[in-house]
Amino acid sequence: GESVGLHLPTLSVQEGDNSIINCAYSNSASDYFIWYKQESGKGPQFIIDIRSNMDKRQGQRVTVLLNKTVKHLSLQIAATQPGDSAVYFCAENNEAGTALIFGKGTTLSVSS
Amino acid sequence: DAGVIQSPRHEVTEMGQEVTLRCKPISGHNSLFWYRQTMMRGLELLIYFNNNVPIDDSGMPEDRFSAKMPNASFSTLKIQPSEPRDSAVYFCASSLRGGGSYEQYFGPGTRLTVT
Repeated sequence: GESVGLHLPTLSVQEGDNSIINCAYSNSASDYFIWYKQESGKGPQFIIDIRSNMDKRQGQRVTVLLNKTVKHLSLQIAATQPGDSAVYFCAENNEAGTALIFGKGTTLSVSS
Repeated sequence: DAGVIQSPRHEVTEMGQEVTLRCKPISGHNSLFWYRQTMMRGLELLIYFNNNVPIDDSGMPEDRFSAKMPNASFSTLKIQPSEPRDSAVYFCASSLRGGGSYEQYFGPGTRLTVT
């Protein structure tokens, strides 16, 4: 069945380091992937997305990489800041393209 | 833009009571989603509306849950009767276009506690 999972539940980094959050997906038919950031007590906040016709997409301090061969998605955050501390979710669309399926989330903790 | 608006932000009720959660999507967005988030199950889609019409309600747990979207700017999620296992954070999200292939913008959520 469809599932989206994360390799590591927690990630601790020092301020200024680069962070990499990984995500595995199982549905090879998924053609849309998205990353969200959720801070405590708030709703998920859109970070960046990528479609399956791309391997890489960059935003401000963030890069998403998609490896369709091994069904792997990653989020790279450059020069991580304390404000980046949050839970990060990856999501993929389902086979019908009608819904997003979210992973369990990775907690990123940034210490200064 | 005010973003997605949800009310109330917190709701505490007793088992058996009716609970109504409200959502105002971002103006111009034609798709609306209701999610439930718990520690055990993560973020789950309950129901999805496109142009005010329910498209996929397969995530609605049982008949105690119902959702309506009477117009493009308002939706409700109702639980009747509520049970302690319904305790969770309920999010509403909206999207400019439908389905799961475009970014969804989430509201702040309603934290529901059923005692």
